[in-house]
Amino acid sequence: KNEVEQSPQNLTAQEGEFITINCSYSVGISALHWLQQHPGGGIVSLFMLSSGKKKHGRLIATINIQEKHSSLHITASHPRDSAVYICAVRKGAGSYQLTFGKGTKLSVIP
Amino acid sequence: DAGITQSPRHKVTETGTPVTLRCHQTENHRYMYWYRQDPGHGLRLIHYSYGVKDTDKGEVSDGYSVSRSKTEDFLLTLESATSSQTSVYFCAISELDREQYFGPGTRLTVT
Repeated sequence: KNEVEQSPQNLTAQEGEFITINCSYSVGISALHWLQQHPGGGIVSLFMLSSGKKKHGRLIATINIQEKHSSLHITASHPRDSAVYICAVRKGAGSYQLTFGKGTKLSVIP
Repeated sequence: DAGITQSPRHKVTETGTPVTLRCHQTENHRYMYWYRQDPGHGLRLIHYSYGVKDTDKGEVSDGYSVSRSKTEDFLLTLESATSSQTSVYFCAISELDREQYFGPGTRLTVT
């Protein structure tokens, strides 16, 4: 079993819908990252969080350390949000390594 | 965007030939990483560096070596390329316990 599991693997939404992508992990962590990869390959860091909630524009990331679970929400989705969203965890303070989920492919249809 | 470049961006090579990929940063970040990305596997760490001449192995290091002689450059070498090393390779940089910033990637095909 992978240490980082994302769901769903694929998601299709209509423009304007509220979207949730989930990430569960099975190890102790010091931080969780959400990344975005657009078609064409570039990877962008969206959030790094170790507790609570962060918001940037229409994106919201939450984490529940006790439940080992994080969610990425997109409000008022737009076709330009179409991308692969990747969850990654850092296992301990001072650890250099990230362990990645396999990604959730989001398609937002106009 | 963080100043990270990778070269080459695309390469086709034959089995058994040596290949070197270069990652160059202008951010003066201490930590640098090489990942490979394959369908069905996601991103996996090959090697990382925590300072000049300080490197260590990641989870898929077999068949790869790295060098870092300057803060800004991190080289990944495939001593004798195999078809299983056909992949997209990403470099990333960070400071300790901070976000990682990724380069644009190198698509390598080994025939």
